[in-house]
Amino acid sequence: KQEVTQIPAALSVPEGENLVLNCSFTDSAIYNLQWFRQDPGKGLTSLLLIQSSQREQTSGRLNASLDKSSGRSTLYIAASQPGDSATYLCAVQGGTASKLTFGTGTRLQVTL
Amino acid sequence: SAVISQKPSRDICQRGTSLTIQCQVDSQVTMMFWYRQQPGQSLTLIATANQGSEATYESGFVIDKFPISRPNLTFSTLTVSNMSPEDSSIYLCSVGREFNTEAFFGQGTRLTVV
Repeated sequence: KQEVTQIPAALSVPEGENLVLNCSFTDSAIYNLQWFRQDPGKGLTSLLLIQSSQREQTSGRLNASLDKSSGRSTLYIAASQPGDSATYLCAVQGGTASKLTFGTGTRLQVTL
Repeated sequence: SAVISQKPSRDICQRGTSLTIQCQVDSQVTMMFWYRQQPGQSLTLIATANQGSEATYESGFVIDKFPISRPNLTFSTLTVSNMSPEDSSIYLCSVGREFNTEAFFGQGTRLTVV
């Protein structure tokens, strides 16, 4: 059974700092890994999708990497802003049913 | 991407009643899923909504409690039946255009059962 863990569970940084969020998964037989952002009480916004054959993806200030063999992914946020404050979730997709297995999330707060 | 409209956005319901949540997508999609997010927790898959046939439920979820319909490739409903306070959660619809492609989510339905 796939298990996904995210470290740290919570993180507070001052505005302007670069930061890294970590995601690990136990079964490396995945099709892709996706990073999401969730604002309190809201749905999920897709940030980046990395296919299993890819090593990284970039979108603006966000960069996600994937090391499938070791079961790890990182989300790098450059020059953090207060608007980045949210919970960040990683999820892996595997098997034939396209189901996502979610991590426990990292709650990020960027302070002024 | 896909634009997903989920209704209602929130509701407060009496225990013992039922609530039906709707998920409408702006274009045809192959995959539709329903997830639950209990307070302070991550997301758990309830079921895969299959067009024209019975949904595929995950362990711990049953059709009598969470009946799901999917009459076409753009619409699905999830009913939470005979509600109890333990059903208070955010319920989210998710879609994927094809198998194992990028997943998109609706804004969720925040349900409070009193």
